[in-house]
Amino acid sequence: DIQMTQSPSTLSASVGDRVSITCRASQSISSWLAWYQQKPGKAPKLLIYKASSLESGVPSKFSGSGSGTEFTLTISSLQPDDFATYYCQQYSNYPYTFGQGTKLEIK
Amino acid sequence: EVQLVESGGVVVQPGGSLRLSCAASGFIFDDNAMYWVRQVPGKGLEWVALISWDGMTTYYAESVKGRFTISRDNSKNSLYLQMSSLRIEDTALYYCAKGGYSYGLVDYWGQGTLVTVSS
Repeated sequence: DIQMTQSPSTLSASVGDRVSITCRASQSISSWLAWYQQKPGKAPKLLIYKASSLESGVPSKFSGSGSGTEFTLTISSLQPDDFATYYCQQYSNYPYTFGQGTKLEIK
Repeated sequence: EVQLVESGGVVVQPGGSLRLSCAASGFIFDDNAMYWVRQVPGKGLEWVALISWDGMTTYYAESVKGRFTISRDNSKNSLYLQMSSLRIEDTALYYCAKGGYSYGLVDYWGQGTLVTVSS
């Protein structure tokens, strides 16, 4: 199975900051990577697919980059609504696996 | 608007069985692969099972293989998860999820149904 490792596990930031979350795969997954946002008590929401493609309706403040084994989600100009938990997921190989999540907290 | 509504989550004893259902609307159901993904409250996401658009292909996580069966009824726009030999570690919120642009990608999630395995 492909292991997905996110860092950091928790990230403290302030409104207006720009932050980045890293996701590393245990083997190459080309660009078959998605990012999801999950707020407390809610289902996850797709933000980015194929490493850098923005899902329809998602603000351009979210961006993704990377290929192979290392990927980054960047969120610019943080707003209160952005504080949530973010997950990466590879869909290169079955079984499709998620990272452990990164909780973005207000500093 | 895409809607996925799960049902069937209850409290069940270890070794018991349960069937989850998911009613889908707002998209062409038989155009898409479908998934079940679970989440222990307060923990991360775990992919459980996948079924192709026509039901001919299924995949399972190792942790549920041989105990869970995913199925679909395209005439009813419905997805199912038959769960048997339930274990305490199967306790989780189970999400029904719609397949996206590529196999393995999820683009919509339901709100989940809670399965609690406890004696």
